[in-house]
Amino acid sequence: DSGVTQTPKHLITATGQRVTLRCSPRSGDLSVYWYQQSLDQGLQFLIQYYNGEERAKGNILERFSAQQFPDLHSELNLSSLELGDSALYFCASSVGGQLNTEAFFGQGTRLTVV
Amino acid sequence: GQQLNQSPQSMFIQEGEDVSMNCTSSSIFNTWLWYKQDPGEGPVLLIALYKAGELTSNGRLTAQFGITRKDSFLNISASIPSDVGIYFCAGQFLTGVLGFIWGAGTKLIIKP
Repeated sequence: DSGVTQTPKHLITATGQRVTLRCSPRSGDLSVYWYQQSLDQGLQFLIQYYNGEERAKGNILERFSAQQFPDLHSELNLSSLELGDSALYFCASSVGGQLNTEAFFGQGTRLTVV
Repeated sequence: GQQLNQSPQSMFIQEGEDVSMNCTSSSIFNTWLWYKQDPGEGPVLLIALYKAGELTSNGRLTAQFGITRKDSFLNISASIPSDVGIYFCAGQFLTGVLGFIWGAGTKLIIKP
């Protein structure tokens, strides 16, 4: 158990809909990272938040947005969903804000868009 | 964009064999991380490398940060069934804040 909690574990929704994925970081970690993993692919870095503020942005679509709340949990919002958005979405957390600190991953949310 | 090539894509090995996989890039990295992902789980950090030439072991696993800063390898000695999974490398550039670039993974399969 990495200490990073993601909910829900599975999500099935229709095209055009909007969903929210939630992540609770490890106790004491200030950084939260979101990644997308398509079938049999590596991980694509989406975005990082550190202590409530956006720290780094990767290949995140404009239809996607994220935020980190005062209690440090984070939400990833995916809107106008397309079939190609079906993927595993991972959240990771780390103590520091630098991107070379070791991050611990949650178990992921499997999103299926039908 | 930046590319990170991980090879091989998959490996079929006998239990007890040694395994070697590597990642290469056209760009210089200042950090290399090696993760393992089991089916249905998130990646788990195996080894972190922060200096060129660094050689670090974690049990039967050994990883090295290439002296050119453009590559890294991971070796697994005397493989066992629980080594099965997908191994990912991830590298971070010297400049910029784009986060880590991830390899596509090496799937390790142990032949019965």
